[in-house]
This record gives sequence, structure tokens and C-alpha cells, in this order.
Amino acid sequence: NAGVTQTPKFQVLKTGQSMTLQCAQDMNHNSMYWYRQDPGMGLRLIYYSASEGTTDKGEVPNGYNVSRLNKREFSLRLESAAPSQTSVYFCASAPSGIYTEAFFGQGTRLTVV
Amino acid sequence: SQQGEEDPQALSIQEGENATMNCSYKTSINNLQWYRQNSGRGLVHLILIRSNEREKHSGRLRVTLDTSKKSSSLLITASRAADTASYFCATDVASGSRLTFGEGTQLTVNP
Repeated sequence: NAGVTQTPKFQVLKTGQSMTLQCAQDMNHNSMYWYRQDPGMGLRLIYYSASEGTTDKGEVPNGYNVSRLNKREFSLRLESAAPSQTSVYFCASAPSGIYTEAFFGQGTRLTVV
Repeated sequence: SQQGEEDPQALSIQEGENATMNCSYKTSINNLQWYRQNSGRGLVHLILIRSNEREKHSGRLRVTLDTSKKSSSLLITASRAADTASYFCATDVASGSRLTFGEGTQLTVNP
């Protein structure tokens, strides 16, 4: 049982390059999330998807786009990477409902130089 | 701004002692959750307390919730070196579709 799988685990980009972070879950969850974690800032929500076909902005959506490709997959795209986007990115999924826990991937460590 | 704020930011204790971490939040919630993160890893769910609950136990963990003060505490009893990690509170503020995290408490348990 893989849970939430993120790829890649590490990535270095040059300023202005684009890339897509992939996330897939095998738990049949409706909700999926993308967070970024910076030192001393905790986790900040970038985008979330409450169900297949829907996406909504979180706290820090600028510079990012997302696609909920199907129920399993939720990707995060950086169209033109900036050094301020250097961070650790976490994908998470959760079942529907208000009393459910979230399951996290292992993270993608992104450095933009 | 962050919905939740943990206190203290860092805590260092000896093995066998109890560790208490606090979380305050700003808006009404459906539930409050605590997560643990080992260095370089993803977050792992520890415990969830509903807004109509006041206390919950799970093994060596005890969580309290005071909705009138918009605060929660996590108590880890008889701590072990393996409990060394960052601990985050998270609040579910709108129909289960958004989970908002605090900045975390870094717990170090010295053997």
C-alpha cells in the first residue's frame, strides 16, 4: 500500500524554468492538497482539490497552477520558477468529511537558483 | 497568516519527562488535529479531536481542546528519545476541505 507518492524527491531549477510536481494517491480519497514548508513557517496551503474536477486557491497560490487529472492524481506546476519558490513541497490526501485525517507524501525538495 | 500558532517554538526535555505543547487558533473549527514530522520526512497524523470534545487520549498522548479560548494542548507522557520531532496542530475550518497548519513545536528528548 503506497499511500501518497510524490515525484521527484529532489529538484534543482534555474530561475525562469518550469516544472511539474507529481502526486498520486491510492486510497480513493476525494480531497487532495499541495503545501509548501519553509523554515520556521510551518506548512502553507498552496492549492487544494475537494473532489475530482474541482480546485481552489489556498493561502499562497501565486506562481503556481494545479491540475486534478483524475481522482488519484493532483499535480502542481511552476510556470516560471523564482528563488522565492525554493521550499519543500508536500502533497496530501484525505477522505471526504469533517472528521478525517490527512495522509502526506514524503515531500519534494525544490531549489531554484 | 497562519490559522494556528504553537507554543513553545522549541522544547528540550529529558527522557521520561512529560512534554506539553500548546496551540491557539483564530476561527471556529470543525476539528483540531495534531501531526508529527520527523526530520526530512512527511507529516504523520497523531490524533484528532472534534469541536464538541474536550479531551482525548491515545496511548501516551493526551489532547485537550478549549473552544472558548480557541486553544488546544498536546501532552506526551513519559517521553522517549524517539519522540524527538516537530509537532504541528492543524485546524479544519470549512467543511473538511481545508486543513490549515501552525508553525510547529520542535521537541528534543535527550536520552
